[in-house]
Amino acid sequence: DAGVTQSPTHLIKTRGQQVTLRCSPKSGHDTVSWYQQALGQGPQFIFQYYEEEERQRGNFPDRFSGHQFPNYSSELNVNALLLGDSALYLCASSPGRVDSYNSPLHFGNGTRLTVT
Amino acid sequence: DAKTTQPPSMDCAEGRAANLPCNHSTISGNEYVYWYRQIHSQGPQYIIHGLKNNETNEMASLIITEDRKSSTLILPHATLRDTAVYFCIRNEKLTFGTGTRLTIIP
Repeated sequence: DAGVTQSPTHLIKTRGQQVTLRCSPKSGHDTVSWYQQALGQGPQFIFQYYEEEERQRGNFPDRFSGHQFPNYSSELNVNALLLGDSALYLCASSPGRVDSYNSPLHFGNGTRLTVT
Repeated sequence: DAKTTQPPSMDCAEGRAANLPCNHSTISGNEYVYWYRQIHSQGPQYIIHGLKNNETNEMASLIITEDRKSSTLILPHATLRDTAVYFCIRNEKLTFGTGTRLTIIP
């Protein structure tokens, strides 16, 4: 049973460019969350998708957007990249309703984005 | 404030029990306490979670105080592979905080 898979594993972009990161949730999971983790910091919540809609959002600008597809996979898009966007981007999936507090997150190993 | 408070680092001898504390004094009645750990360059791994009662699984035990303002994660027989950053989360959808870097000493 495949867990959460993310692609690509590493990515280098130039300031001002746009990037798309992809995530396939664990089998049986229908909720996908995205996190940004800067070096030496804990993961910071970006947003969460359920039933193809953004349900919750953290304190991130509109340059960060996402999408969830009917098969529950998800994309994270970042426009007008800044040097400060360099980080590990983590995708996590969970089963059940988005407002359930009793649903552990299953994380992928992330995409390492470097902005130069 | 949705954050939790953890010591930045701890050491534990191999084979001994590792006890990792977490303060979550503003936790609300329906929020669970979750613990995750992260080994370098990997995604966080779920360990255990609980609401009011103490919990145990194959990885660890979770002790939650009666007032729910703090909790302790117990790794009963620490091994070198338990060296990681451990995160205590009041609500896993929000900010993780910087966690506790646990080092198991041979």
